[in-house]
Amino acid sequence: QLQLQESGPGLVKPSETLSLTCTVSGGSISSSSYYWGWIRQPPGKGLEWIGSIYYSGSTYYNPSLKSRVTISVDTSKNQFSLKLSSVTAADTAVYYCARHFITMVRGVIILGNSWFDPWGQGTLVTVSS
Amino acid sequence: QSVLTQPPSASGTPGQRVTISCSGSSSNIGSNYVYWYQQLPGTAPKLLIYRNNQRPSGVPDRFSGSKSGTSASLAISGLRSEDEADYYCAAWDDSLSGSWVFGGGTKLTVL
Repeated sequence: QLQLQESGPGLVKPSETLSLTCTVSGGSISSSSYYWGWIRQPPGKGLEWIGSIYYSGSTYYNPSLKSRVTISVDTSKNQFSLKLSSVTAADTAVYYCARHFITMVRGVIILGNSWFDPWGQGTLVTVSS
Repeated sequence: QSVLTQPPSASGTPGQRVTISCSGSSSNIGSNYVYWYQQLPGTAPKLLIYRNNQRPSGVPDRFSGSKSGTSASLAISGLRSEDEADYYCAAWDDSLSGSWVFGGGTKLTVL
């Protein structure tokens, strides 16, 4: 059974870089059928997709966060990571990693035909001095 | 302000049928599949419906999804106390560079 686990500092200072890692167990991150995604949820609020990465390193980012986000993958460790720079209090949220099930047609990814399942348990990151 | 619009709350009594709506636009729901996620209190979201109306293995057939034009609905029949949760709709949005967008969530209370 595939499991995902987020890890990283729970407290980050304003203007610094938030760094999180997601460790995948029970399956290979190098599967051709999946991307791997990050989604966040501010306290008491809704969900926001941050971005997704393929095992090859190909990425898709939320345009509203793209200038500050870097997602990378380490297939040897079965992990993928998130870096969010220049954080402010607005970046305080529970950060989830998830398997991003994708559909390909003739080698082209159809992002409108993809979904997130399963999700990690999430980790709260607070931005505060 | 979420791109997809959901009612903030819904309620029903055990055994009842409730529906949760999700309204979008031609760039998201109107041209792409809709997905629904259930978030039980204090837990991570879980996929409930994919490709508008498909249920993953293990999801009871009490849950059903539908889509028409730029709107979608999640229906829960035979409401049970364990259905009390937040429900989110989601879709890919083709505008600009493209992005996954979510509804603001609907808190379902079982009375």
